[in-house]
Amino acid sequence: EADIYQTPRYLVIGTGKKITLECSQTMGHDKMYWYQQDPGMELHLIHYSYGVNSTEKGDLSSESTVSRIRTEHFPLTLESARPSHTSQYLCASSEGGVPPYGYTFGSGTRLTVV
Amino acid sequence: KQEVTQIPAALSVPEGENLVLNCSFTDSAIYNLQWFRQDPGKGLTSLLLIQSSQREQTSGRLNASLDKSSGRSTLYIAASQPGDSATYLCAVSKSNSGYALNFGKGTSLLVTP
Repeated sequence: EADIYQTPRYLVIGTGKKITLECSQTMGHDKMYWYQQDPGMELHLIHYSYGVNSTEKGDLSSESTVSRIRTEHFPLTLESARPSHTSQYLCASSEGGVPPYGYTFGSGTRLTVV
Repeated sequence: KQEVTQIPAALSVPEGENLVLNCSFTDSAIYNLQWFRQDPGKGLTSLLLIQSSQREQTSGRLNASLDKSSGRSTLYIAASQPGDSATYLCAVSKSNSGYALNFGKGTSLLVTP
C-alpha cells in the first residue's frame, strides 16, 4: 500500500542531544517536504527536496538539516536539540507537476525537548 | 510571499447544517489549491485538489471552488455530521519551491449532535 511513514511518533529528549526524525515513502515520489507545526498554528515549510541529492531550505528558518540519498528516504536531523525545537514535524511527498498532483502526509513526529 | 487566510477561525454548528469555509490567498500565480482535514494530534488527510485551470471539485458531500483571479476558494460541506469535526486546512502551491504548499491557519469545525 502506498504510504509515508514517520518515526518516532513521539519523542521526549534532553537539551543538547542529537536527534534524527525518519521519513520514508513507498510511492516513488521525487518531491519530499518537511513542515513544522506549533499548536494552533499553520504548517511552515522548513526543507524540501526535488529528488536524490537535492535539498533546499524552506520559508521558515530552521537549525535542522536534511539529506536525500535515496528516493524513498528523507531524514531530518537536529545536531543539538533545544526547548525551542519543541513542535510537531510533518513529512510529505508529492509528484509535483505530474498527475495526479496530490500530496501525501505522514502522521507526524511530536518532539518535546526538556 | 504568499499569504493564505482562512475564515472563520472556528465554527460550531448543529448536525445536518450546510456550511461554507473560506480561503483567500494573496498571489494568484498558483499551481493548485488543496483542502485538507487534520484531526487532533494527527497528520493531514487530503480532501480535494483543484488545479489552477479548474473551477471546482466535488467528492461526496464536499465541494470546493476556486476563483484564481480573485484569490479565493470555498469549501462547502453539505449535511454536516459529528464525524466532520476537525480542523480544515487550505493550501496553495507554486511550481517553484518544489511545488511546496503554503498553508492557512485552518478553520476548527465542531459539529454537535
